[in-house]
Amino acid sequence: DTGVSQDPRHKITKRGQNVTFRCDPISEHNRLYWYRQTLGQGPEFLTYFQNEAQLEKSRLLSDRFSAERPKGSFSTLEIQRTEQGDSAMYLCASSAGQGGLEAFFGQGTRLTVV
Amino acid sequence: AQSVTQLGSHVSVSEGALVLLRCNYSSSVPPYLFWYVQYPNQGLQLLLKYTSAATLVKGINGFEAEFKKSETSFHLTKPSAHMSDAAEYFCAVSDRGDDKIIFGKGTRLHILP
Repeated sequence: DTGVSQDPRHKITKRGQNVTFRCDPISEHNRLYWYRQTLGQGPEFLTYFQNEAQLEKSRLLSDRFSAERPKGSFSTLEIQRTEQGDSAMYLCASSAGQGGLEAFFGQGTRLTVV
Repeated sequence: AQSVTQLGSHVSVSEGALVLLRCNYSSSVPPYLFWYVQYPNQGLQLLLKYTSAATLVKGINGFEAEFKKSETSFHLTKPSAHMSDAAEYFCAVSDRGDDKIIFGKGTRLHILP
């Protein structure tokens, strides 16, 4: 197992276009998290899953954002009608369960909206 | 909702000097606490975590942190800084019974030769 992988690593898109990112967690990890990180800031929580169930979604998250984890394995994060303010690093992490267990992070997908 | 505050967005120390990065949490019940490090162009990596055992937690690369309930703090220390410690450090918190992990804004550590 090589850890959490994210695809693509970089994405440049025109404003108004839709984009989709994929995250493959560490196998057997039932928790999967999405975060957004902008320059000089800490990771901002977006949403997380326990298996295929989306347990929480940040109130800061626009309706243009949607995430799925259909079979409890990989996850996708879609942003519709992208805006320049969506430009950021999108991080995915997974953990084996609750109780203060470590979250393992992927390298992230850097989105640039032009 | 739980949160963490990291004092100082930038900290500079001389090589060989003590490193002290500050983190305070807000939670009514002692939470789980973490320190992560992010090197340039790399992903976040766990340095150490506090779950409920010893209040002094030792992590990788010579770092340690002490949980102080009375001060709601979880400061990160290292006795002697090395040039390779230059990175961004994030304190994070997770309430017991809630898997969501909330991060602070981060502290960039600069090591002076």
